[in-house]
Amino acid sequence: RKEVEQDPGPFNVPEGATVAFNCTYSNSASQSFFWYRQDCRKEPKLLMSVYSSGNEDGRFTAQLNRASQYISLLIRDSKLSDSATYLCVVNRAGGYQKVTFGIGTKLQVIP
Amino acid sequence: GAVVSQHPSWVICKSGTSVKIECRSLDFQATTMFWYRQFPKQSLMLMATSNEGSKATYEQGVEKDKFLINHASLTLSTLTVTSAHPEDSSFYICSASRLRQGSYEQYFGPGTRLTVT
Repeated sequence: RKEVEQDPGPFNVPEGATVAFNCTYSNSASQSFFWYRQDCRKEPKLLMSVYSSGNEDGRFTAQLNRASQYISLLIRDSKLSDSATYLCVVNRAGGYQKVTFGIGTKLQVIP
Repeated sequence: GAVVSQHPSWVICKSGTSVKIECRSLDFQATTMFWYRQFPKQSLMLMATSNEGSKATYEQGVEKDKFLINHASLTLSTLTVTSAHPEDSSFYICSASRLRQGSYEQYFGPGTRLTVT
């Protein structure tokens, strides 16, 4: 089983739709969780950290479920500019860090 | 804040030559930096973890003698691809780790596109 699993998609959604991605992780020692966004031929950019209490940033909401070992990202009112690959990142810190990326979920927002 | 630069942004070299890529954290100190490689339409692949003042930790299957990593200071890590071959052509990306609100966030450099002819 992969340490971090994501559905690669693609998710094709119409503009204005709400879309949600899940990401599961296998190592219960994982401590920090993030969502990154990567555009084609560009480097990943931090979208948001995922806190235990959940967090929201505008149209984006991230949640963490430690019991079931998954994190989620919800995008409301999708824009064309949201089209990208969304990477789930899990960091197992303590001593030296161990960062693991999911394969990424591709989102295509359609006019 | 949290800016990471990489140099060069692209490089074309001949087979057999060596190429050095620099990764710098411009406005924060990073005890840990990471080096990734990404082939077209594939996900990021972690190559190695670079810790300031100590030897890098390489992922399985990554040759440490071919991909030399030096983390000489808290703001600079370098990756040298030695005796490059066409199959080393790829997008190399570094990230620097910054502690924020109790967790380590990764900030990525813009990447270096390497083409070996």
